[in-house]
Amino acid sequence: AQKVTQAQTEISVVEKEDVTLDCVYETRDTTYYLFWYKQPPSGELVFLIRRNSFDEQNEISGRYSWNFQKSTSSFNFTITASQVVDSAVYFCALPFSGAGSYQLTFGKGTKLSVIP
Amino acid sequence: DGGITQSPKYLFRKEGQNVTLSCEQNLNHDAMYWYRQDPGQGLRLIYYSQIVNDFQKGDIAEGYSVSREKKESFPLTVTSAQKNPTAFYLCASSSSGRYNEQFFGPGTRLTVL
Repeated sequence: AQKVTQAQTEISVVEKEDVTLDCVYETRDTTYYLFWYKQPPSGELVFLIRRNSFDEQNEISGRYSWNFQKSTSSFNFTITASQVVDSAVYFCALPFSGAGSYQLTFGKGTKLSVIP
Repeated sequence: DGGITQSPKYLFRKEGQNVTLSCEQNLNHDAMYWYRQDPGQGLRLIYYSQIVNDFQKGDIAEGYSVSREKKESFPLTVTSAQKNPTAFYLCASSSSGRYNEQFFGPGTRLTVL
């Protein structure tokens, strides 16, 4: 069965600190993608990244980086030099198994608070 | 500007009333979705549609109904059969294909009085 676990319910950091959000997943698929979304206080989910299971290289986009490790079924997200605007709920997601299914399984999210 | 619109932003309903949440997209996406979000619960799928005139139940479809008569529109009706409808409702859309990212609307916060 598909499962996404985000064990950190809430994290607080002081501005400019680095922070890592954990995501552990379970899937029976041999090929899959993983997603991260950001939900700021306004409520709308914003797509951050999609990652193919074939590609285990770290991805960096500005202050954001993602570490995908297939051996531990983890897809962790690091924010470097955090800013107050990074305060949001972050979700990791995994597509359902089975061809033709477009559904996503979401983790329960990690609420990040960046304190000035 | 392409995107997804949801209306209204806030909705209040009396117990026993049906209410319809609107979702419109101009991204030319085939697939559309409705999610419910409760505090600490993440997102749970209510219904989804991969093509016009077709839709499937998600994990928590009981007490909800949808229609997909046009590609751009996927309204959600919360019926009186839904026991605890107070929640934040998010609509999303995506291109066809399992691995395409979903784009989300701004959400509707429904409160039952």
